[in-house]
Amino acid sequence: AQSVSQHNHHVILSEAASLELGCNYSYGGTVNLFWYVQYPGQHLQLLLKYFSGDPLVKGIKGFEAEFIKSKFSFNLRKPSVQWSDTAEYFCAVTAPNAGKSTFGDGTTLTVKP
Amino acid sequence: GAVVSQHPSWVICKSGTSVKIECRSLDFQATTMFWYRQFPKQSLMLMATSNEGSKATYEQGVEKDKFLINHASLTLSTLTVTSAHPEDSSFYICSAVQAPTDTQYFGPGTRLTVL
Repeated sequence: AQSVSQHNHHVILSEAASLELGCNYSYGGTVNLFWYVQYPGQHLQLLLKYFSGDPLVKGIKGFEAEFIKSKFSFNLRKPSVQWSDTAEYFCAVTAPNAGKSTFGDGTTLTVKP
Repeated sequence: GAVVSQHPSWVICKSGTSVKIECRSLDFQATTMFWYRQFPKQSLMLMATSNEGSKATYEQGVEKDKFLINHASLTLSTLTVTSAHPEDSSFYICSAVQAPTDTQYFGPGTRLTVL
């Protein structure tokens, strides 16, 4: 069975600080990887996804993530966070053609102005 | 594009009544939709996979007679919480899978409160 681990439960940063949120998964085969964001009072939105190709994926709002196959990791990064990035971030893994995703527990990011 | 809507956005009902929640993909067809529960400050818990034209697949521990799912068309799936009780109070979220990328797009969720 797949599992997804997000190491940081709550991260607090000041504006302009750099961000890295960890995501590790356990699954032996090929996977599709996603990061979703849930802003306060809003629904989940797709930030970025990785299916194949360049392991460094760029998403919306300046976010990027790097797939490191040997480490089973898909960490999310942003060089300079803004107050508006305050949200809940979820990492998810899907086995291709399996349909359903396994989500991590989420990381709450609070950015202080 | 890729918008998913849910109706209602919130509902309050008495214990013992049934509540139907609709999930629609507005600008794409989805043969597969998912239903999740999200508890406060927790992740999404997958309840079931809804497949158009066939029976839903429920996750372990989810009562299929309690949570009835109907995927009547390529743009609509419904979740009916039957004989709702206070412990069923939660935030229910659906997602629709857009082929061929298998990307899930999420609805805004439905807050169910059972008194």
